[in-house]
Amino acid sequence: DAGVIQSPRHEVTEMGQEVTLRCKPISGHNSLFWYRQTMMRGLELLIYFNNNVPIDDSGMPEDRFSAKMPNASFSTLKIQPSEPRDSAVYFCASSFQAGAYEQYFGPGTRLTVT
Amino acid sequence: TQLLEQSPQFLSIQEGENLTVYCNSSSVFSSLQWYRQEPGEGPVLLVTVVTGGEVKKLKRLTFQFGDARKDSSLHITAAQPGDTGLYLCAGGRNAGNMLTFGGGTRLMVKP
Repeated sequence: DAGVIQSPRHEVTEMGQEVTLRCKPISGHNSLFWYRQTMMRGLELLIYFNNNVPIDDSGMPEDRFSAKMPNASFSTLKIQPSEPRDSAVYFCASSFQAGAYEQYFGPGTRLTVT
Repeated sequence: TQLLEQSPQFLSIQEGENLTVYCNSSSVFSSLQWYRQEPGEGPVLLVTVVTGGEVKKLKRLTFQFGDARKDSSLHITAAQPGDTGLYLCAGGRNAGNMLTFGGGTRLMVKP
């Protein structure tokens, strides 16, 4: 079975440009999470969705960040405009909304903003 | 705010040594998960513990959930270079499906 799929794996962009990260969760999972990981701050939850509805976006740094989940099999995280401090690895994870809520992570997108 | 504190933050040992990493909180969790993350990849779930005092073994790895469900430990016996990575604990609560992640323990096992 396919795991969580993220694209692109690497993104290098210039400050001020728009960046869109994509995620396809595991089929059948109804919760989706976006995380950001840096050496300084570790793994931070940005936003999560249940049944395509955003539940908690308190971790989104500022208005430059937005996330959508138009259907159960696709989500995007957009940064506009991007800044050098946004450089990090962004992970998408999905889970089934029951039991121990185990999360399954994608391979991540390494974003570099110059 | 519930926090999960992991210790040590960094650990460098020789192949064959034993080690224990800890995950502590002042809050009670309904479940506790351990993940391992290798460079360039996402965290991979190793185990979930849900009952206070529960012990689970995965080959050379032994996971324990504290009796009060506030802390957990991971013990590795005879560590191997393949155990190198970032170990993350994460706590879940019945009220929702968010996980609270610890800061991680970065383990390096030298051959």
